[in-house]
Amino acid sequence: DAMVIQNPRYQVTQFGKPVTLSCSQTLNHNVMYWYQQKSSQAPKLLFHYYDKDFNNEADTPDNFQSRRPNTSFCFLDIRSPGLGDAAMYLCATSRPGLAGAYEQYFGPGTRLTVT
Amino acid sequence: ELKVEQNPLFLSMQEGKNYTIYCNYSTTSDRLYWYRQDPGKSLESLFVLLSNGAVKQEGRLMASLDTKARLSTLHITAAVHDLSATYFCAVDKVDSNYQLIWGAGTKLIIKP
Repeated sequence: DAMVIQNPRYQVTQFGKPVTLSCSQTLNHNVMYWYQQKSSQAPKLLFHYYDKDFNNEADTPDNFQSRRPNTSFCFLDIRSPGLGDAAMYLCATSRPGLAGAYEQYFGPGTRLTVT
Repeated sequence: ELKVEQNPLFLSMQEGKNYTIYCNYSTTSDRLYWYRQDPGKSLESLFVLLSNGAVKQEGRLMASLDTKARLSTLHITAAVHDLSATYFCAVDKVDSNYQLIWGAGTKLIIKP
């Protein structure tokens, strides 16, 4: 089945220790997104790629970076995680569909714990 | 400021009852999305509403869109425990239709 895969599903890192989260997709969608979601809140967009074009949300901390080496893969790097970065990180993909709608398909998420 | 407002934010109801979740938005978008999230899990797309008057149904859930009123509703009929989840609505950003503006979510608890 076509899908969005995230690894790892759970990540524990120490304060200040860099961590990389990965996302891959078999949907062949041209748009990929990284969201951060904290408990009981709506997902917050960190970055997105439209094809190869990278877009950084204005309020995304400099501590967060992303790479998309090809259509299928996308990475989220957190250079120096702080306690406030503990959250669920969600990868999503989309492409133009009916009436130009970009329905987003989400991966299972990576739960990040910072100790 | 672009806003998507859901109400209620929290709803506890008994099985078998009917209820409606409301989603108001301030943009001129004519596309609206509903997602479901189970506790500790990711988001699952439920409905994509593409135009004024659109109505979609899946089981006990029915979603509708009134673009003139900038309002979408998610109606639950004869609720069952399995529908307990958080429901988010989202609309396209006007200047970037592949980005979404999200509502805060409605946490729905259905008691047996």
